[in-house]
Amino acid sequence: DAGVTQSPTHLIKTRGQHVTLRCSPISGHKSVSWYQQVLGQGPQFIFQYYEKEERGRGNFPDRFSARQFPNYSSELNVNALLLGDSALYLCASSFSMDAYNQPQHFGDGTRLSIL
Amino acid sequence: AQTVTQSQPEMSVQEAETVTLSCTYDTSESDYYLFWYKQPPSRQMILVIRQEAYKQQNATENRFSVNFQKAAKSFSLKISDSQLGDAAMYFCAYRPKGANSKLTFGKGITLSVRP
Repeated sequence: DAGVTQSPTHLIKTRGQHVTLRCSPISGHKSVSWYQQVLGQGPQFIFQYYEKEERGRGNFPDRFSARQFPNYSSELNVNALLLGDSALYLCASSFSMDAYNQPQHFGDGTRLSIL
Repeated sequence: AQTVTQSQPEMSVQEAETVTLSCTYDTSESDYYLFWYKQPPSRQMILVIRQEAYKQQNATENRFSVNFQKAAKSFSLKISDSQLGDAAMYFCAYRPKGANSKLTFGKGITLSVRP
């Protein structure tokens, strides 16, 4: 089975632009979470979606938004890009929201660079 | 708020030797999960081992084991018979037991393995 897939792999944008990142979870997984990983730091939680509803939100500005589609894939949108948004954006999926025996599986991430 | 602290930014180990990576956390919850994730240069976060707070027995996965000290809020990872492929960033992560599967990560530690 395919793992979590994210696209694009790399992306270069300029300040003020908008970006959309995409994530396809593992088949059968209904929960998708997004994390931002700044260089040299651990990932920071941005959003969690389950059954197409937002179930958790981290401490990020309203410029960040996301949604989940009926096929459980997800998009992360960032408006008015700032230099500080440069980071690796990770998507993680799991079968349900709270399942110790079904931990989150991560994709390879999208490297976003802001010029 | 929960926090995860990894105070050692870098460690090095000789191939075939044993190394221990430290992690402490802070929480007011009584039931939660703890994880160690590995992130090689390929960027994908890979689950190494997990521990449920209510289980007294320390988790073991082949060459990887943990020393979980709940009272001290300590969760260290021991890697035995280190291999060159173990070289990576290692992140300690915490997740409360509940509806939200948000992971809180530490800053990570870079492990190098000397041949």
